[in-house]
Order: sequence, then C-alpha cells, then structure tokens
Amino acid sequence: SQTIHQWPATLVQPVGSPLSLECTVEGTSNPNLYWYRQAAGRGLQLLFYSVGIGQISSEVPQNLSASRPQDRQFILSSKKLLLSDSGFYLCAWSVLDSLIYEQYFGPGTRLTVT
Amino acid sequence: AQSVTQLGSHVSVSEGALVLLRCNYSSSVPPYLFWYVQYPNQGLQLLLKYTSAATLVKGINGFEAEFKKSETSFHLTKPSAHMSDAAEYFCAGLQGAQKLVFGQGTRLTINP
Repeated sequence: SQTIHQWPATLVQPVGSPLSLECTVEGTSNPNLYWYRQAAGRGLQLLFYSVGIGQISSEVPQNLSASRPQDRQFILSSKKLLLSDSGFYLCAWSVLDSLIYEQYFGPGTRLTVT
Repeated sequence: AQSVTQLGSHVSVSEGALVLLRCNYSSSVPPYLFWYVQYPNQGLQLLLKYTSAATLVKGINGFEAEFKKSETSFHLTKPSAHMSDAAEYFCAGLQGAQKLVFGQGTRLTINP
C-alpha cells in the first residue's frame, strides 16, 4: 500500500532563517506531488505541484520554492523565512484513478516563524 | 474556473442529531467534487468523491453527499452525529486534472 511521509512534524524557525521540508511517497511510481499551505483559520492553498522529476509548477508567487530531485521525493524550501510563512504545510500525491487524479495527503508539518 | 464555497465556518450539533454541511460549487462541466475531513494537527482524509456517476455518494464513517446540478450543491450529511465526528471538513473541486480548489472549511462541533 502507498504511504506518504513528511518531516519534520513541527518546526520553529526565526525570521530570516532558511527552510527545508521534505515529503516522500512509498508504494507508487511516478506520482503527481503537491505542496499546500493551511494558514490559521483559512482553507488550503496550493503552492506547487509536480508531474515528474524536475518539473515544478508554482501557483502563488512567494519566497518559497520546491524541488523534486527523485521520483517520490518533494522538497519545499526557502532562503529567508517571513512571519507570514507560518502555517501548516501539507504534501499530497496522486495517480490516475479511473477518470481523475485523486489526492492523498500526508500528516503535515506545523511551521512557526518567530 | 472552479470555485467552491462552504456555507458556515462553524456548525454545532448534538450527539445523535443530523449533520448537514453545505457546499456549493461553480465550475465547467463535469465537476469532480470531494469532501475531506481533518482532525486536529493531522492531514486530510478523503470522505467521499463525486465523479459524474451516481448523484448520491456514500463515503466512510456513515457520511454521504448528494450532487444536485440544479442547485450547484454537494452537501455532506450524516443521519446521526457521533462525538468522534468533531473535526474540520473541507469541500473541494477539481480544476483541470491536477488542482484541487478548496472551500474555507467548516468546523463541526458535537455537543454531548
């Protein structure tokens, strides 16, 4: 069966520090991968998605970036964190299921920028 | 472009009462719609999905949703609420092949 891992589970970082969040998927090949952010009291916002190694689509201009160095690995990064980067970051994967790409979510990373 | 609106950011019901969480969509045809549940500090779990087959969709944990094209709605219901149903619920629509567009979420509270 497929599983998705995210780490770390929680992170507290000062403003201006770098960020690296990692997501890995097991049990599937060539998945589509996604990064979402959930700010306090708000819905989920799609940040990036990837349909293959090295292929990244950005949805929202910001100081975050994403990379996909391996088929089942997706990394979210920042060179300098802002206070507004605080939130709950969710990674998701999908493969074609019948007619559509059904997305499955990881456990999330709680990021607090101080 | 697809948009999803959830009516009511917070819904409170008594244990054993009917749960009704509202979702309206606007999209091109056909819409693919989902309901997810999120427990505190956890990821999202798929409850059910509509993919243009049956208009009444049954999901996990006793939840179901009915797709009504005339009302552009996909409301989530459960006949009898349980304390374990307390969570945040998100309605989402698929935009294109890759992108999920989420509603703002509805926090469900169950009163003993």
